[in-house]
Amino acid sequence: KAGVTQTPRYLIKTRGQQVTLSCSPISGHRSVSWYQQTPGQGLQFLFEYFSETQRNKGNFPGRFSGRQFSNSRSEMNVSTLELGDSALYLCASSPQGYGYTFGSGTRLTVV
Amino acid sequence: GQQLNQSPQSMFIQEGEDVSMNCTSSSIFNTWLWYKQDPGEGPVLLIALYKAGELTSNGRLTAQFGITRKDSFLNISASIPSDVGIYFCAGLTSGTYKYIFGTGTRLKVLA
Repeated sequence: KAGVTQTPRYLIKTRGQQVTLSCSPISGHRSVSWYQQTPGQGLQFLFEYFSETQRNKGNFPGRFSGRQFSNSRSEMNVSTLELGDSALYLCASSPQGYGYTFGSGTRLTVV
Repeated sequence: GQQLNQSPQSMFIQEGEDVSMNCTSSSIFNTWLWYKQDPGEGPVLLIALYKAGELTSNGRLTAQFGITRKDSFLNISASIPSDVGIYFCAGLTSGTYKYIFGTGTRLKVLA
């Protein structure tokens, strides 16, 4: 079966802009999580959605938001981009919220 | 952000050698996962552990869920060049749906 699909793979944005990243989970998976990966901070949890509801949120500013649609697809949005937002953004899905399968990520560069 | 202590940070080994790495935390976890990440890709799930004391194998990989529930171990036997990559542990507290990731162990195998 198809894995977790993230689009786009690469993105370059300017400071102050906003960006939307997309994630299509494995068919049948209702839990979707987002993580930010940077060399300095490692993998940091952003938020987790299950059946369109956010169940948990990490310690990121309000500029980071997400949502999940009825077909379990998820998007995350970052507004007013800062240089420090440059990172690999990873989406992961699972049936219930355990044993996540990750996508290949979206590499965001803010210039 | 919150991270688990993972050691060693990096290691060079000869092909055919066995490898051991571990992950420790001051918190108790109900689930431990081990992932491997190749450059430019998302982490791939290797082994999932759901019970204290559990020992689980996946081919040449063996992982254990520590009795105290504060640590986990991963062993790779007879390493091969394709084992190169970064290995992450991740711990989950029941009901949070938020994985805390280790700092990673970078493995390099010398042929």
